[in-house]
Amino acid sequence: GDSVTQMEGPVTLSEEAFLTINCTYTATGYPSLFWYVQYPGEGLQLLLKATKADDKGSNKGFEATYRKETTSFHLEKGSVQVSDSAVYFCALRPSGYSTLTFGKGTMLLVSP
Amino acid sequence: DTAVSQTPKYLVTQMGNDKSIKCEQNLGHDTMYWYKQDSKKFLKIMFSYNNKELIINETVPNRFSPKSPDKAHLNLHINSLELGDSAVYFCASSHATNEKLFFGSGTQLSVL
Repeated sequence: GDSVTQMEGPVTLSEEAFLTINCTYTATGYPSLFWYVQYPGEGLQLLLKATKADDKGSNKGFEATYRKETTSFHLEKGSVQVSDSAVYFCALRPSGYSTLTFGKGTMLLVSP
Repeated sequence: DTAVSQTPKYLVTQMGNDKSIKCEQNLGHDTMYWYKQDSKKFLKIMFSYNNKELIINETVPNRFSPKSPDKAHLNLHINSLELGDSAVYFCASSHATNEKLFFGSGTQLSVL
């Protein structure tokens, strides 16, 4: 079945450091790929998405590129802030389906 | 106005009790979901409804029964609560043709 694998957390960084959170997926066909973010005590929010190979999703300084050859969708940010501390979820949605399959989430902790 | 609202936010109860969690969305979406998030933040789909019809029912004990009185509401009733049911339950909605999910802020269920 379809699945998403994310790097284990927590990821601990200092403010202004470079961030990479790895995400790889297994799916048939051409799924859409997403990153969701969950701030403490809140529900998940869509951060960015990409719907086809080589698409780059971007939002709030975060970027991720849909790489079909490596089945990856790694999340990056050039300079993290304390306010970016949250849990980040990679997810896929198979074409023709409405349900998302989530990875296990990666907690990011940014210290001043 | 809150787009997807769940009540209650916290629910503490004894083993063996029956409880319900309510969810309402005011986005005009036709698809609603229940997700369960365990203590390690792993997020798993439980149910999905489209226009009041059940379309996804993952491997969930039949003690869990979703009910959708109309398109804007999807309630979750749980019978004979067990310790392992302790988790955060998230309601979400989407437009059937839109990939973006909107999440509620979650209901933290603690079974003692």
